[in-house]
Amino acid sequence: AQKITQTQPGMFVQEKEAVTLDCTYDTSDQSYGLFWYKQPSSGEMIFLIYQGSYDEQNATEGRYSLNFQKARKSANLVISASQLGDSAMYFCAMREGFSSNTGKLIFGQGTTLQVKP
Amino acid sequence: GAVVSQHPSRVICKSGTSVKIECRSLDFQATTMFWYRQFPKQSLMLMATSNEGSKATYEQGVEKDKFLINHASLTLSTLTVTSAHPEDSSFYICSASPRRGPVETQYFGPGTRLLVL
Repeated sequence: AQKITQTQPGMFVQEKEAVTLDCTYDTSDQSYGLFWYKQPSSGEMIFLIYQGSYDEQNATEGRYSLNFQKARKSANLVISASQLGDSAMYFCAMREGFSSNTGKLIFGQGTTLQVKP
Repeated sequence: GAVVSQHPSRVICKSGTSVKIECRSLDFQATTMFWYRQFPKQSLMLMATSNEGSKATYEQGVEKDKFLINHASLTLSTLTVTSAHPEDSSFYICSASPRRGPVETQYFGPGTRLLVL
């Protein structure tokens, strides 16, 4: 069965510094996709970045990058140059199979990030 | 980007009443929609997968007679919480996958906060 683990319930980072949010996963599938979402206090889920299991390069989207270590089954999110608006809850998620967008997402426990001015 | 709406955004009801929550994809057709439930400071838990024109697939432990899901069209799925009780108070979020969309596309609605008195 799929499992996503985020071991950091809460993190602090100084504004303008980089921060890494940890995510490990477990699956017996060879094909899967990994996602990161941001959830501010309003509750909306904001898609940040996606990594397919066969992607050889780490995904990047602006200030977000995904450090994909397939052998270690980790998919850490790196946020560079943190901003006050980055304060939110962050979720790592996985979907088995990567050829379709109709599979269900399984979420980790989440990490609350607070950016200090 | 693609937009998913939910209505209502917030609802307060008396114990024993039924509440219907709508999830609409506004600018795309969604063959598959998902319903999640989230308690404060916790992760999103998948309740069910809703496919247009067929019965929903419920996750283990979710009462299908309690949480009625209807995916009547390619742009609308509804979740009805029947005979709601205070323990059903939660944040309910839907997501929708565009038909034949890229693998990373699964768009979330803004969520519905349900409070049962």
